[in-house]
Amino acid sequence: DSGVTQTPKHLITATGQRVTLRCSPRSGDLSVYWYQQSLDQGLQFLIQYYNGEERAKGNILERFSAQQFPDLHSELNLSSLELGDSALYFCASSAGAGQGYYGYTFGSGTRLTVV
Amino acid sequence: EDQVTQSPEALRLQEGESSSLNCSYTVSGLRGLFWYRQDPGKGPEFLFTLYSAGEEKEKERLKATLTKKESFLHITAPKPEDSATYLCAVQEGTGFQKLVFGTGTRLLVSP
Repeated sequence: DSGVTQTPKHLITATGQRVTLRCSPRSGDLSVYWYQQSLDQGLQFLIQYYNGEERAKGNILERFSAQQFPDLHSELNLSSLELGDSALYFCASSAGAGQGYYGYTFGSGTRLTVV
Repeated sequence: EDQVTQSPEALRLQEGESSSLNCSYTVSGLRGLFWYRQDPGKGPEFLFTLYSAGEEKEKERLKATLTKKESFLHITAPKPEDSATYLCAVQEGTGFQKLVFGTGTRLLVSP
């Protein structure tokens, strides 16, 4: 157990629907990162939050949004889902916002299948 | 834009057969180079961080090295339990923590 908790582990939904993925960071970590992993593209950075504030955005679609709550858990919202959104979604956490030297701690991911 | 290229894409070894995985990178000011191990259906697991050319780090049968343009992950006398995908990532020195990942090397070690 890495200490980063992601729910649900698996999600199957239809095109056009909206889903919410949840992440609880490791105790004491203030930063949360969301990554998408598909077979052909590897791990792609989506967005980072630090202590409730958005810190950086990557290749995140406008249909996707995220937030980090006061208790530091984060949610990734995916809407108007398309078949191409099927992927593994990982959450990772770290202690600071500018101290990545020890790497991130990743959760076990949510496998999203859009049918 | 930061780029990370890993080779080979896949590698099959016999138990005990040592080899190396390559990670070539392009980044404007390297802040750190990271190696992760990922098992099927699981999240990446942190292995090493390297900060400057010439640095080396070891953990059990794994040894990571860094030059100005690439990093190597040497696997000495691998065992079947070393089978996994090995991911390389770089972080540029802008103070922003985004990691840019390569697509990984899938390693299979046969008994």
